[in-house]
Amino acid sequence: QQPVQSPQAVILREGEDAVINCSSSKALYSVHWYRQKHGEAPVFLMILLKGGEQKGHEKISASFNEKKQQSSLYLTASQLSYSGTYFCGTRGGYQKVTFGTGTKLQVIP
Amino acid sequence: DVKVTQSSRYLVKRTGEKVFLECVQDMDHENMFWYRQDPGLGLRLIYFSYDVKMKEKGDIPEGYSVSREKKERFSLILESASTNQTSMYLCASSLSQGRGEETQYFGPGTRLLVL
Repeated sequence: QQPVQSPQAVILREGEDAVINCSSSKALYSVHWYRQKHGEAPVFLMILLKGGEQKGHEKISASFNEKKQQSSLYLTASQLSYSGTYFCGTRGGYQKVTFGTGTKLQVIP
Repeated sequence: DVKVTQSSRYLVKRTGEKVFLECVQDMDHENMFWYRQDPGLGLRLIYFSYDVKMKEKGDIPEGYSVSREKKERFSLILESASTNQTSMYLCASSLSQGRGEETQYFGPGTRLLVL
């Protein structure tokens, strides 16, 4: 079952902050975040592992609430280059990663 | 630098044709994946492979098959293309299923149109 992302779309002005949420109905081993710019392949941003370990982007942070099976991606002081569609992917144990439907983010001047 | 390549960026085929989509990775990764991407539906997994000659069904395997004869190459086969298989197809690879090694690297995608 696909994780649920919210919001589906958001428009920001440069310098504003945004939060994208990802929620799963199953226990999670890890949460992945990717960004896809228009016409390009998805690119890895961050992975959050059960137990608190986190690897990823220096300007983007995220949280992982294992008990609630939720993750949030925090984009601070947004730049034009942050525009794109953000996907979360969730993995339970030794299983495949299942991606959400995406959150379209547009940063305007 | 990590690289995943796909044989075609754009492909036009007719209903009923057999279609091959090729994906090659140069990172010695164990895992390879095929997704399709449709507006509003996100990335949906078709098939994946954890090793040469091994394959596992994803969420939407119907109408597709795969082949992995060599570690670096993963092929997606549409046995008899149909119009509802018109989509963007993305290939990805990851080092392993191990902790912290599951980051997926995506190819540029193949946009397939079935007429």
